[in-house]
Amino acid sequence: QVQLQQSGPGLVKPSQTLSLTCAISGDSVSSNSAAWNWIRQSPSRGLEWLGRTYYRSKWYQAYAVSVRGRITINPDTSKNQFSLQLNSVTPEDTAVYYCARGPGVLKYWGQGTLVTVSS
Amino acid sequence: QSVLTQPPSASGTPGQRVTISCSGGSSNIGSDVVNWHQQFPGTAPKVLIYNNNQRPSGVPDRFSASKSGTSASLAISGLQSEDEADYYCAAWDGSLNGWVFGGGTKLTVL
Repeated sequence: QVQLQQSGPGLVKPSQTLSLTCAISGDSVSSNSAAWNWIRQSPSRGLEWLGRTYYRSKWYQAYAVSVRGRITINPDTSKNQFSLQLNSVTPEDTAVYYCARGPGVLKYWGQGTLVTVSS
Repeated sequence: QSVLTQPPSASGTPGQRVTISCSGGSSNIGSDVVNWHQQFPGTAPKVLIYNNNQRPSGVPDRFSASKSGTSASLAISGLQSEDEADYYCAAWDGSLNGWVFGGGTKLTVL
């Protein structure tokens, strides 16, 4: 059974960097059949896919247009986890952030982290 | 504005059958599978239906789904009070190269 455990701060100041980590158990971040996603949910934007990282003989990342240029998703093979960094945050980035395993279907989700952007 | 379009709300009485629609386009529903997620307040979305009409183990057969062209629908028969939740459709979008979601449908059991 795959489990995803999220960690990271729930409060970030405007213009600073949001950083979250998703620890994987029951699977490997380096799996050739998995893709590791970050998704956020807010009342104003609904569910919004942010990006993913996956390994297919080499590492790939793909990002949503809405956050491209501000986002980095990186694997950490030594800790079997992956991370999200979102730079230059504004109050509009306030949301519940989820990590999830794909592809094909987002079958396993982290517990969610409410991140508030406020001074 | 979500890429996939769902009605914001639906309702029914216990025992009734309700359907929730999801409309997309040729780059998402029209060319890839549709999944449905159920979400209760304060919890992460949970897969209800995958590959258009497949139920994960543990999901009652009261839940069914179908897809035709660029639209999909979720049906819940024998409605129960515990079905009161938010329901989301999801699909991979080949043009955006990412997941797209519906805006969610809040189901109320009257």
